[in-house]
Amino acid sequence: KQEVTQIPAALSVPEGENLVLNCSFTDSAIYNLQWFRQDPGKGLTSLLLIQSSQREQTSGRLNASLDKSSGRSTLYIAASQPGDSATYLCAAKSFSGGTSYGKLTFGQGTILTVHP
Amino acid sequence: ETGVTQTPRHLVMGMTNKKSLKCEQHLGHNAMYWYKQSAKKPLELMFVYSLEERVENNSVPSRFSPECPNSSHLFLHLHTLQPEDSALYLCASSQGQGSSEQYFGPGTRLTVT
Repeated sequence: KQEVTQIPAALSVPEGENLVLNCSFTDSAIYNLQWFRQDPGKGLTSLLLIQSSQREQTSGRLNASLDKSSGRSTLYIAASQPGDSATYLCAAKSFSGGTSYGKLTFGQGTILTVHP
Repeated sequence: ETGVTQTPRHLVMGMTNKKSLKCEQHLGHNAMYWYKQSAKKPLELMFVYSLEERVENNSVPSRFSPECPNSSHLFLHLHTLQPEDSALYLCASSQGQGSSEQYFGPGTRLTVT
């Protein structure tokens, strides 16, 4: 059974700082790993998707890496801004029985606060 | 806007009520999902529909009843809920293949009184 863990649970940083969020998963047989952002009381916004054959993906100030063999992914945020404050979730998509749809297993998230 | 809409956005219901949550996707996907997000717990997968057939039921109590009339619409029918069912219910869709990305709706915040 896939388990996903995120560290730290909460992080508070001053504006402008570079930061790293960590995600680990127990079963390396994954289709992909996805990072999401969730604002309070809202749905999930997909940030980056890394396929199992890829090592990293970049979008603007965000960079996500994937090391399947060690069961780890990191999300790097450069030059953080107050607008980056949100909960960041990672989810590993695993093979699921004989079906083709895959199954997302989420971590509990990292609550990020960037203060001016 | 992710292309996945959910209504209502907020719902308060008593334990004896019957209500339904609606999800609609405008992305041409063929798989749809219901997730539950409770306070202090990770998102939990509830149901998966692929090509309008239920392919997964994650040990969800029978007071939650999903319905997928076509590939664009997904419902979650609720009856005789408990206060611990209060949560954010999220709908998602994907193209159904294992490597594809899931797109999430904004969720319905459900409070059971």
